[in-house]
Amino acid sequence: AQSVTQPDIHITVSEGASLELRCNYSYGATPYLFWYVQSPGQGLQLLLKYFSGDTLVQGIKGFEAEFKRSQSSFNLRKPSVHWSDAAEYFCAVGAGYSSASKIIFGSGTRLSIRP
Amino acid sequence: GAVVSQHPSWVICKSGTSVKIECRSLDFQATTMFWYRQFPKQSLMLMATSNEGSKATYEQGVEKDKFLINHASLTLSTLTVTSAHPEDSSFYICSARGRAGYQETQYFGPGTRLLVL
Repeated sequence: AQSVTQPDIHITVSEGASLELRCNYSYGATPYLFWYVQSPGQGLQLLLKYFSGDTLVQGIKGFEAEFKRSQSSFNLRKPSVHWSDAAEYFCAVGAGYSSASKIIFGSGTRLSIRP
Repeated sequence: GAVVSQHPSWVICKSGTSVKIECRSLDFQATTMFWYRQFPKQSLMLMATSNEGSKATYEQGVEKDKFLINHASLTLSTLTVTSAHPEDSSFYICSARGRAGYQETQYFGPGTRLLVL
């Protein structure tokens, strides 16, 4: 069964600083990987996803993530964070979009921005 | 782009009553719907998966008689929390998977906040 680990529960970075959120996955085949962001009391917004091809994926809001099969990782990065990036970030893994596959979420990383 | 809506966005009910939450895919046909539950400051936990016209498949530990899921059409799935209790208070999020244009895709709804008094 697939699983996702986000080792950092809470991260605080200064506005304008770079950001990296860690994500490790466990899955027997080539995974479909996602990063979602959730603002307080809100639903999920998809930042980016990786299905195949180029292992460096560009997303919305200036985010990118790199799939590293050898490390079973899919870390999210942003070169310069803005105060509006403060939110909860979820890494997720799935087996694709076949009807039988599910998207399983990590425990999330809360991002705070220091002025 | 494709959108998934949920209704209501929030609901308060008395203990022992039943609550129905609707999830609609607005401009694509959702062959598969997923229901998640999220407790405060926690992650999303998958409750069940339903395919249109079939019985839902529940995750381990989720009571199927308590959380009734109906996926009667390609654009609508409902989750009914029967005999709700305070511990059922949570944020319920649906997700719809289907074909939007030429691509298979999946979108999440905005969530429904349930408070059981």
